[in-house]
Amino acid sequence: EDQVTQSPEALRLQEGESSSLNCSYTVSGLRGLFWYRQDPGKGPEFLFTLYSAGEEKEKERLKATLTKKESFLHITAPKPEDSATYLCAVPANQAGTALIFGKGTTLSVSS
Amino acid sequence: EADIYQTPRYLVIGTGKKITLECSQTMGHDKMYWYQQDPGMELHLIHYSYGVNSTEKGDLSSESTVSRIRTEHFPLTLESARPSHTSQYLCASSDGGVLPYEQYFGPGTRLTVT
Repeated sequence: EDQVTQSPEALRLQEGESSSLNCSYTVSGLRGLFWYRQDPGKGPEFLFTLYSAGEEKEKERLKATLTKKESFLHITAPKPEDSATYLCAVPANQAGTALIFGKGTTLSVSS
Repeated sequence: EADIYQTPRYLVIGTGKKITLECSQTMGHDKMYWYQQDPGMELHLIHYSYGVNSTEKGDLSSESTVSRIRTEHFPLTLESARPSHTSQYLCASSDGGVLPYEQYFGPGTRLTVT
């Protein structure tokens, strides 16, 4: 069964303290991996798409990387405004382009 | 500005009522999706559409129904609301052909059935 697992479930950082979030998947024949940010009470906001192992994407303090079994979201020198839940998703084979989501990592950055 | 809209944002309704959650997008996307999300849990796909007059059920069983008569509009209907339907409902749309493309989400509808 296709599955996406994210770790840790929650992460508390001090402002400026860099760290990484993990997303592992068991989908056969990966056709893309997506990272989203979700603020409380809002819809997910698209961050990155990665299509092949070795690919990297960057946006401000965030950098996403992809291997054959997992993806990492690296957060460099985070600020309080980076606090949110970060979601990872992969396409479900049977449903074409619809996505399977992980439960997310809730990041809290304190000043 | 191209965007995706959902109304209402919040809805509190009694058991047995019929409700329709609206979703519209101005991005010209062919593909649209409905997800359900409970607090602290992952999003689950309940319906999707790849174009006008095309609708399919997702991996999460749902008593809701959808229609796609216009490209930009993808409403979700519950004929008889129950407390078990209480949840957050998120609509999304995407572009692209065979390859999966990023999905853009609306702000969601928080439904509470009493």
